Amino acid sequence: RKEVEQDPGPFNVPEGATVAFNCTYSNSASQSFFWYRQDCRKEPKLLMSVYSSGNEDGRFTAQLNRASQYISLLIRDSKLSDSATYLCVVNEGGANNLFFGTGTRLTVIP
Amino acid sequence: SQTIHQWPATLVQPVGSPLSLECTVEGTSNPNLYWYRQAAGRGLQLLFYSVGIGQISSEVPQNLSASRPQDRQFILSSKKLLLSDSGFYLCAWSWGNYNEQFFGPGTRLTVL
Repeated sequence: RKEVEQDPGPFNVPEGATVAFNCTYSNSASQSFFWYRQDCRKEPKLLMSVYSSGNEDGRFTAQLNRASQYISLLIRDSKLSDSATYLCVVNEGGANNLFFGTGTRLTVIP
Repeated sequence: SQTIHQWPATLVQPVGSPLSLECTVEGTSNPNLYWYRQAAGRGLQLLFYSVGIGQISSEVPQNLSASRPQDRQFILSSKKLLLSDSGFYLCAWSWGNYNEQFFGPGTRLTVL
């Protein structure tokens, strides 16, 4: 059983569309949650942390549902520059307990 | 602000040759340090992590080793590379065990 599961996609959406990604995690005791963005052949970069109350950063909104053990990322008004792979990351506590999903590939089409 | 450096950016090595990849962090002290490998089209695999100088924990059995000779320096080594060692090697740092990790630019290793 994987610690973190994501739909690999690909998601192909037109510019201006709203797209949502979900991610489920297996350990109910998980401590912290993040979304990263990874461009092709580049390192992952932190997009946003996910807080229990939900949080928003411009066009990006992250939600955490502890009862159902999933986190989500909503991107509004998609831009061509949003094309990337989005990684869901869950920390179960401890230096070696950060688990990465395999990523969801997004392509925004002109 | 904190920055993380890795080098080299790209490396092509023959099977059986040694390896040394270096990672340094600036602008912080006593960070947790991590080595990951990402095979083509795959997720990140944690190889080693360190919570302090000289403290190394290995996550997977392999022919790789890691060392932390200084607080902000993390080295990944191998005595003899295998074809299966090819991949994208990423160094990361974090403050403590519960916080987000920040990645270096990575080293793309091809073993021929």
